[in-house]
Amino acid sequence: EAQVTQNPRYLITVTGKKLTVTCSQNMNHEYMSWYRQDPGLGLRQIYYSMNVEVTDKGDVPEGYKVSRKEKRNFPLILESPSPNQTSLYFCASSLWSEVNSPLHFGNGTRLTVT
Amino acid sequence: GENVEQHPSTLSVQEGDSAVIKCTYSDSASNYFPWYKQELGKRPQLIIDIRSNVGEKKDQRIAVTLNKTAKHFSLHITETQPEDSAVYFCAAIGPGSARQLTFGSGTQLTVLP
Repeated sequence: EAQVTQNPRYLITVTGKKLTVTCSQNMNHEYMSWYRQDPGLGLRQIYYSMNVEVTDKGDVPEGYKVSRKEKRNFPLILESPSPNQTSLYFCASSLWSEVNSPLHFGNGTRLTVT
Repeated sequence: GENVEQHPSTLSVQEGDSAVIKCTYSDSASNYFPWYKQELGKRPQLIIDIRSNVGEKKDQRIAVTLNKTAKHFSLHITETQPEDSAVYFCAAIGPGSARQLTFGSGTQLTVLP
């Protein structure tokens, strides 16, 4: 089954404790992206990647890191989480070669930083 | 960069009535406009999209219209049903190499039985 898999689904952590949210897709998509969803603000892009070893900042990159060492994986790293990073996070992927290729979203990761 | 504004933020309609959600965008070069539906506790999923060379697209009870001159596009849902209740997001994508998708802030649609 074609899908984007995020883990974990829920995560509660404390300020300053490094964490990684994993994202993997099995559709051979070039494009992958991370979004955070907050009430009233919609989906805001954190980082995106157009292919292996190619990443770039989105609209709200501060406090986050990503890597794209393999085509299928795009982990999101919070080196020193803070309470303002409490949010619902979505990873998504799509084909790069088609301009209107739809974004496929993962199931989301609800992060709470205390 | 692109800025997408979406209205209204909440919308309640009676079952069977129509619902309209409107979005405006700032970058006249944007050329692709998808709409996503997010049911409670689930991921956003594409329901319909339109390209800038088309003025209207319809898929059963949902349709999207695009006015390039005014830089706005709308989602129309006819004969609404309770299962249409969800958050709807519009988005716009520009033609640049980054092809970043910018989302609106979302509309919570509630269909009252």
